[in-house]
Amino acid sequence: GAGVSQSPSNKVTEKGKDVELRCDPISGHTALYWYRQSLGQGLEFLIYFQGNSAPDKSGLPSDRFSAERTGGSVSTLTIQRTQQEDSAVYLCASSSSLKTRYEQYFGPGTRLTVT
Amino acid sequence: DQQVKQNSPSLSVQEGRISILNCDYTNSMFDYFLWYKKYPAEGPTFLISISSIKDKNEDGRFTVFLNKSAKHLSLHIVPSQPGDSAVYFCAAYTGTASKLTFGTGTRLQVTL
Repeated sequence: GAGVSQSPSNKVTEKGKDVELRCDPISGHTALYWYRQSLGQGLEFLIYFQGNSAPDKSGLPSDRFSAERTGGSVSTLTIQRTQQEDSAVYLCASSSSLKTRYEQYFGPGTRLTVT
Repeated sequence: DQQVKQNSPSLSVQEGRISILNCDYTNSMFDYFLWYKKYPAEGPTFLISISSIKDKNEDGRFTVFLNKSAKHLSLHIVPSQPGDSAVYFCAAYTGTASKLTFGTGTRLQVTL
């Protein structure tokens, strides 16, 4: 079946512009996660959705970052007034039931470059 | 404060031999540990997991060992194949937080 998809695959933007990154989770997966990987770093948790609500936003680095999820499916991560330190690969993951929530399946990521 | 650490940034192993990737953690509240494999320009792919109440889990060529007293886990790949060349991430999960905490990865190169 179809895996997690993300768009765009690459995004180059000028400092100060806003960007939107999209994630389509695996059909039927109720939990959705956003992570990012900066150069030479591990994956850093940003936010977690269960259905349309976000019980854990603790990883969002600043109030320039926000995310929403609609219909229990697609999610959008928005970065306002982008800065160069926002350059990273943004990864989305989804997982199914509460029992196996730890098994998270990742999309290919969006590589964001802020110039 | 890095709760999950992979101290070896790279490892080179000959085809057919055993690859051993190591991971240390500091938080004794983790419920599950996972290994992910990542190729360039792709997202991480789930490989294998282990519950904190187990000490070993095996799936084909991949075995994960957990030593809770040492807060250490390892991934064994045997026999190693050239297609195993990738970056391997160790990750840990707590049910209360629902998020994965990742190490910084180990790049495995399997040579002919």
